[in-house]
Formats: sequence, structure tokens, C-alpha cells
Amino acid sequence: KQEVTQIPAALSVPEGENLVLNCSFTDSAIYNLQWFRQDPGKGLTSLLLIQSSQREQTSGRLNASLDKSSGRSTLYIAASQPGDSATYLCAVSPGGGSYKLIFGSGTRLLVRP
Amino acid sequence: DAGVTQSPTHLIKTRGQHVTLRCSPISGHKSVSWYQQVLGQGPQFIFQYYEKEERGRGNFPDRFSARQFPNYSSELNVNALLLGDSALYLCASSLDSFRNIQYFGAGTRLSVL
Repeated sequence: KQEVTQIPAALSVPEGENLVLNCSFTDSAIYNLQWFRQDPGKGLTSLLLIQSSQREQTSGRLNASLDKSSGRSTLYIAASQPGDSATYLCAVSPGGGSYKLIFGSGTRLLVRP
Repeated sequence: DAGVTQSPTHLIKTRGQHVTLRCSPISGHKSVSWYQQVLGQGPQFIFQYYEKEERGRGNFPDRFSARQFPNYSSELNVNALLLGDSALYLCASSLDSFRNIQYFGAGTRLSVL
């Protein structure tokens, strides 16, 4: 059974700091991995999607890496800003014709001005 | 272009009642998935429909049911509501099976009293 874990559960950093959020999964047979952002009480916004054949994806100040063999992904946020404060969720798609996503519990990020 | 729209945004029900939640996918998207997100946790997969057929079902009781209409919109029905059904219900749509980027709506907040 695929399980997704995110560490740390919460993180507080001063503005401008570079930071790394971690995601691990137990079964390496994934189709892809996505990182989402969720603001309090809101829906999810897709940040980056990494196909199983890819090693990383970049969008602006965000960079996500994927190491399938070790069951790990990291989301790197450069030069953090207060507007980055949100919960960050990673999710894996097990593939096999299924669209379902299996989520971690998220990392709550607070960027202090 | 309109994103994924969900209605209603908030709902208050009492135990034992029935509820219907609605979702309109992004135009051209044929897949709709439903997720339940309890406070402080990641979303849990409930159902996925593709081209009006159920493609997957999560570990939820038979009180939960869904359907997809010819226009690809979808309804999630929950019967005999329990206090534990209180959650944010999220709908996601996706275009195809290759890229599988999930686009989420803002969700319906259900409170069961």
C-alpha cells in the first residue's frame, strides 16, 4: 500500500531564506508526482508535476526533484517571501490507468517578514 | 477560461441527512475525481470518473456515491451523514491520461452537526 510522508509538518523561516520541503513514498512504482499549494480553507493549486521518467522540474523560484529509486522528492523554494506562506502537499499517482492521487499530510510553511 | 467550479461553497447539515455536492470540470476535461480533506490532513481519494464511467473508488462506505453526466459535470452524494463526514470536499478535473495534471476546485466545506 502506497504511503506518502512529508517532513517537516510545519516550518517557520525568515523572509529571503532558501528552503527545502521533503516528501517520501513507500512504493517506487509511480506514474508521476505533483506538488500542490493550499491556502487556508481553499482548494489546491498545482505547482509542479514530475513524470516518473523525469528527475526535476522548475517553475520560477520553485524546483522539484524526484528520485524514484529512493522514494523521495524535494521541493526547493528560493528566496522565500511572505506570500509563500501556505500548506504544501505532495501527491503521487500510482498509474496503472488510475487517476487517483495519494497525498501526504502536507508541510505548513510560514515565511516571516 | 473558467476553472473547476464547485457548489455550494459551504453547507451545514445534521446527522442522518443527505447531501449532494456538484462539480463542473474545466471545459474539455473528461475526468473528474472527488477527494475528502479532513482538517489537518491531506486529501483522501473517494471516486474518479472518466468518460462517465467509474474508474476508481477509494476506501469509503457505500453511503458515498457519485455520477458523471454527459456534459462531464459530476455529483457526489452522501447519505445518512455522520459527524465524521465533516470535511472539505474537493473536486479535480484532468484532460487526459498522459499528463494527468489535476486541477482542483475551491471545494465545498461540509459541516455535520
